[in-house]
Amino acid sequence: DQQVKQNSPSLSVQEGRISILNCDYTNSMFDYFLWYKKYPAEGPTFLISISSIKDKNEDGRFTVFLNKSAKHLSLHIVPSQPGDSAVYFCAALSGTYKYIFGTGTRLKVLA
Amino acid sequence: DTGVSQNPRHKITKRGQNVTFRCDPISEHNRLYWYRQTLGQGPEFLTYFQNEAQLEKSRLLSDRFSAERPKGSFSTLEIQRTEQGDSAMYLCASSLETRWTGELFFGEGSRLTVL
Repeated sequence: DQQVKQNSPSLSVQEGRISILNCDYTNSMFDYFLWYKKYPAEGPTFLISISSIKDKNEDGRFTVFLNKSAKHLSLHIVPSQPGDSAVYFCAALSGTYKYIFGTGTRLKVLA
Repeated sequence: DTGVSQNPRHKITKRGQNVTFRCDPISEHNRLYWYRQTLGQGPEFLTYFQNEAQLEKSRLLSDRFSAERPKGSFSTLEIQRTEQGDSAMYLCASSLETRWTGELFFGEGSRLTVL
């Protein structure tokens, strides 16, 4: 059973525009969420996180929004840059140490 | 470079052979994880160590899989009698509990191809 879902396998966005990546989860006990970025032949790298006590967290061009009632989070990248082209994974923390990842969304930023 | 190091980066083996992967976490990180990633999927949790203790092992990890972390430093993941379904990227990650920010630091992964 997929507890963390990313229903869009791919997304294309024009450079300078906003990229919105979505993630849904099923377990209301999850209380910490993260976004990771992955380039080919590299391991995932941490991007941004959010605690369930917040509904928004910003870091430069990246903002994560959390809607607990809908069990939904989204990552906004604005403005999008070609270097942002990568696979993005959302992850939820289950308990104190176990991270559960979604299936990923491949973002392509067109120059 | 003081990041998470994994070796070998790529292993090609024949079905039925044994393989072993090594992970060197970031120095002083007491938490160590193994994940597996197949094409089109996200990383799937395999096992977790806190220091030298293996605290959780996923049901994805059959009896052919064994992981160790002697002395709470590096870790090895061994797969015995490999099967074609074992072909995947094996990712190691580490974190430090005492300064927990929720961030896992991943290595570059070890890709296994079973022929």
